[in-house]
Amino acid sequence: QVQLQESGPGLVKPSQTLSLICTVAGGSITSGDYYWTWFRQPPGRGLEWIGYIYDNETTSYNPSLKSRVIMSVDTSKNQFSLKLSSVTAADTAVYYCTREVAGVVPGATVNWFDPWGQGTLVIVSS
Amino acid sequence: DIQMTQSPSPLSASVGDRVTISCRTSQSISPYLNWYQQKPGKAPKLLIYAASHLQSGVPSRFSGSGSGTDFTLTISSLQPEDFATYYCQQSYSSPRTFGQGTKVEIK
Repeated sequence: QVQLQESGPGLVKPSQTLSLICTVAGGSITSGDYYWTWFRQPPGRGLEWIGYIYDNETTSYNPSLKSRVIMSVDTSKNQFSLKLSSVTAADTAVYYCTREVAGVVPGATVNWFDPWGQGTLVIVSS
Repeated sequence: DIQMTQSPSPLSASVGDRVTISCRTSQSISPYLNWYQQKPGKAPKLLIYAASHLQSGVPSRFSGSGSGTDFTLTISSLQPEDFATYYCQQSYSSPRTFGQGTKVEIK
């Protein structure tokens, strides 16, 4: 059973770059047809899709964050990563990594997110 | 972006109640609608995918229905462990978007 685990600094100074890693256990990051995805959730608020990396190099980012986001994969370590530059207090959130899965139901191929990492809180403050 | 609007929020209920949560989308997305449960300090957990398909391991008291722009999550008999926040999510188009959440509280 695949499990995901986020890691990285819990405190980042304003204007610096937030860097997080998601380690995939119980399966290879290169097997299957998955979109390795990052979300965030500011305290007390809803979930925001940050983007995904697919097939080790194809990326798609939320337009609201696109200019500041870079995602990459390290197949040797079975990890994928998120870098968010020029952070401000508005970037304070719990960051989750997850996997977008495709499945077939009658009449359609549909996608959902499963499993999820446990999340890591990143605070942007000086 | 597709807008997702959930109601009610919050929802007060008692153990044993039948609970219904609604999700309305800004455009037709059938059947690209999923439901998640989130407990405080925990990650979201997939309950229902493709509007009505129960994820493996999820209790059968959870069910989903709907089509077009109107979807519903039903808990047939609320259990103590079901007090949580529930989110709908669309996978029809990018960026993927979630509803604002419905917190199910103890009445």
